[in-house]
Amino acid sequence: DIQMTQSPSSLSASVGDRVIITCRASQSISDYLNWYYQKPGKAPRLLIYATSNLQSGVPSRFSGSGSGTDFTLSITSLQPEDFATYYCQQSYGTPYTFGQGTKLEIK
Amino acid sequence: QVQLVQSGAEVKEPGASVKVSCKASGYTFTDYYIHWVRQAPGQGLEWMGLINPGAGSTSYAQRFQGRISMTRDTSTNTLYMELRSLRSEDTAVYSCARDRGGIVKSMDYWGQGTLVTVSS
Repeated sequence: DIQMTQSPSSLSASVGDRVIITCRASQSISDYLNWYYQKPGKAPRLLIYATSNLQSGVPSRFSGSGSGTDFTLSITSLQPEDFATYYCQQSYGTPYTFGQGTKLEIK
Repeated sequence: QVQLVQSGAEVKEPGASVKVSCKASGYTFTDYYIHWVRQAPGQGLEWMGLINPGAGSTSYAQRFQGRISMTRDTSTNTLYMELRSLRSEDTAVYSCARDRGGIVKSMDYWGQGTLVTVSS
């Protein structure tokens, strides 16, 4: 199975900050990388698909980049609703594994 | 609008089976794959497999092979996920999610989740 490792596991930031979350794959996955966010008790929400494509309705302060094994999710100008847990997920090969999550908390 | 509505919470004893349903609406049922994902309490997301509702073909994560079945009913636009030989470690919220389509598989619409508790 392809292992996905996110860093950091948790992160404290303030409204208006810029944050970067990284995701590393155990082998090359080309651009087959998606990002989701999840609030407690809610279903995950797709933010970015295929590394850098913003899902419809997602604010432009979210962006993604990378290729091969190293990927980043960037959030500029954090808003109160952005404090949640973020997951990366690869869909290069089954099983489509997720990272362990990055919990973004308010400082 | 796209909606995936799942069946209600279940409590099962170890060794039993559970069948979770996911009723789709708001789009052409046979045009989009459906994934099943679970999340144990306080844990991350785990992909279980997917089904092509058009052909009925499936792909399961190896770790569930032999005790999982994903099926669909095209007359009611409903998907089903059955997990057998349940153990306490299977206690989790089980969710169906629609594949967005395209070359890179991703999940754009999710059901509300179904809590399955395995306990004696």
